[in-house]
Order: sequence, then C-alpha cells, then structure tokens
Amino acid sequence: NAGVMQNPRHLVRRRGQEARLRCSPMKGHSHVYWYRQLPEEGLKFMVYLQKENIIDESGMPKERFSAEFPKEGPSILRIQQVVRGDSAAYFCASSISGGDQPQHFGDGTRLSIL
Amino acid sequence: QKEVEQDPGPLSVPEGAIVSLNCTYSNSAFQYFMWYRQYSRKGPELLMYTYSSGNKEDGRFTAQVDKSSKYISLFIRDSQPSDSATYLCAMSGGDSWGKLQFGAGTQVVVTP
Repeated sequence: NAGVMQNPRHLVRRRGQEARLRCSPMKGHSHVYWYRQLPEEGLKFMVYLQKENIIDESGMPKERFSAEFPKEGPSILRIQQVVRGDSAAYFCASSISGGDQPQHFGDGTRLSIL
Repeated sequence: QKEVEQDPGPLSVPEGAIVSLNCTYSNSAFQYFMWYRQYSRKGPELLMYTYSSGNKEDGRFTAQVDKSSKYISLFIRDSQPSDSATYLCAMSGGDSWGKLQFGAGTQVVVTP
C-alpha cells in the first residue's frame, strides 16, 4: 500500500492515560502534517514536521500535546493525560516537499476517551 | 468570522445532475486551492488542486478559482450515487504556508 498509513485506526483511553498515534507517510514523502477533526467541525491544522524538525506547531495545544518525525520510523503524535475533550479523529497527511505541494491523507485514528 | 466559509448542506441531487459546490474565503494571501472528498469513516481524498485563479478540468470534475471575489467552486457532471460524500474545500498560502485551512465540508447525496 503506497498511501499514508495511520495506526491504530481506533484507540480507546481512559482519562489521564497517554495516547500515541503513528503515521507513516507515502513513499518518497518527507513532510508530514497532523490535523484534528472534532465532531461536527472541520479539519483543523495542528503541526507540520519535516524529518527531525518541527516546521510549524501553531495549531498544537500548548500543553499535553507533542509531535515528532524522527530520522527513522513513523511520525508520532503524543497526547499526555488525555481528557474527554481530546476525543476526535486525528488525520495525518504527507507531501513530497513542503509548502505548495498537495497533501495526501491517511484514514485517521479515532480516539475515544472514557 | 471563519477564514473559509462553506455551506454544510446537505445537498441532495438526482443521479445525472450537476453538483455545484462553493467556498468563500477572507485571506487574500491564499494561492493554492484544493477540493477533497471524504467518505464516512475515511480520510480526505484529494480531487482537485489548483494554483491562483482560473479553471481546471479532470474528467467529470471542474474546479474554478476567482481570487478577485475570493470564491472557489467545484462542479461534478453526470453525478453518480457513488459521489455521495462530504466535499471539503481547502486552501493555503501567505502565513498559512504548508498548513491547510479547511471549510466545514458540504454533504452531498446523489439519489438514484
């Protein structure tokens, strides 16, 4: 499968636990973006990463959220001490290079907080 | 006011009709304009990608951008029931370089 791969597809956590969402970009793509889609709302940008660099994190909540895209392996979106309001679909996209290149999306991780 | 406005619908059309979708925006720095299709429980799928003003056609899909009016459109000809989905407009440019600003999405239902 040459598309953007996200796992897990569904993740259930209890309040206070940590959630880790993984994203493998399309082959040949070195730029990764994370978006969040809340119920009845549109997609909201969270963070833009290149290998080993955070390019733009202006959409990330200041606390509990972090993201990385290491030299080897998938990009990780990490949410510490989850709360009910973190329940959402989290989508990852990738592009071959930055800025003006089209972004291709994975099928998302649906996070549910009990 | 949202940066990108899109009527959420639902928009119901009979099979074979033309589907007309549009978005308006407020940021004149936007230069790149996209339309995505999203089926339930799936990720957005890129349909059209255009730069600046003008028209672009791909099969049954035509995208139009009018930067002077800050208005973009997507037309779907000969609509099929399989076109039933949510259609999202997205755009970037200026300070939004690399981060897409999305409309809320329009739900389209094509009835046989």
